[in-house]
Amino acid sequence: KAGVTQTPRYLIKTRGQQVTLSCSPISGHRSVSWYQQTPGQGLQFLFEYFSETQRNKGNFPGRFSGRQFSNSRSEMNVSTLELGDSALYLCASSPYRGENYGYTFGSGTRLTVV
Amino acid sequence: AQSVAQPEDQVNVAEGNPLTVKCTYSVSGNPYLFWYVQYPNRGLQFLLKYITGDNLVKGSYGFEAEFNKSQTSFHLKKPSALVSDSALYFCAVRLMEYGNKLVFGAGTILRVKS
Repeated sequence: KAGVTQTPRYLIKTRGQQVTLSCSPISGHRSVSWYQQTPGQGLQFLFEYFSETQRNKGNFPGRFSGRQFSNSRSEMNVSTLELGDSALYLCASSPYRGENYGYTFGSGTRLTVV
Repeated sequence: AQSVAQPEDQVNVAEGNPLTVKCTYSVSGNPYLFWYVQYPNRGLQFLLKYITGDNLVKGSYGFEAEFNKSQTSFHLKKPSALVSDSALYFCAVRLMEYGNKLVFGAGTILRVKS
């Protein structure tokens, strides 16, 4: 059974550019969440999608957006990149939204903004 | 505020000795608690979770955790540490009423020396 797949693994972008990250959840999983990991702020929740709908959003500026497709694959987009957006972006999938289900994380996309 | 605390930035233990990585939480209602491990340049790997039931939860790779409601703690333990256990460990609480997100502690680096 394939795990959570995130592409690309590494990305280098210039300030002001935009970037799109992709996440393919485990087959059959319908909930996808995104987290940002930085040395200073740790792991922070970005947003959660379930059945193509954003269910919740973390405390991030509007430059951060996402979407989920009918096959549960998800993308997140960051526009007008800033140096502080450099981070490891992690995607996690879960079968449903219930409390009994744990999240399976992907290996992440390492974004470096220069 | 709903939060998770990992009071130790780093824990050092000799191979073969028991290890404990501490976690305390502050949430209203019933907590859903998780432990994840992260190896360098990788995503988070699920170790174990507490939803309800027995206070002693057994997980992957010989790890276990004890839920203590009166002390609001969920410490991770292993009877005999391995050098390969050296990694970054995160405690997290799942907040269903806040959109199903995970709130993570700051993480604890575990170093096991041979």
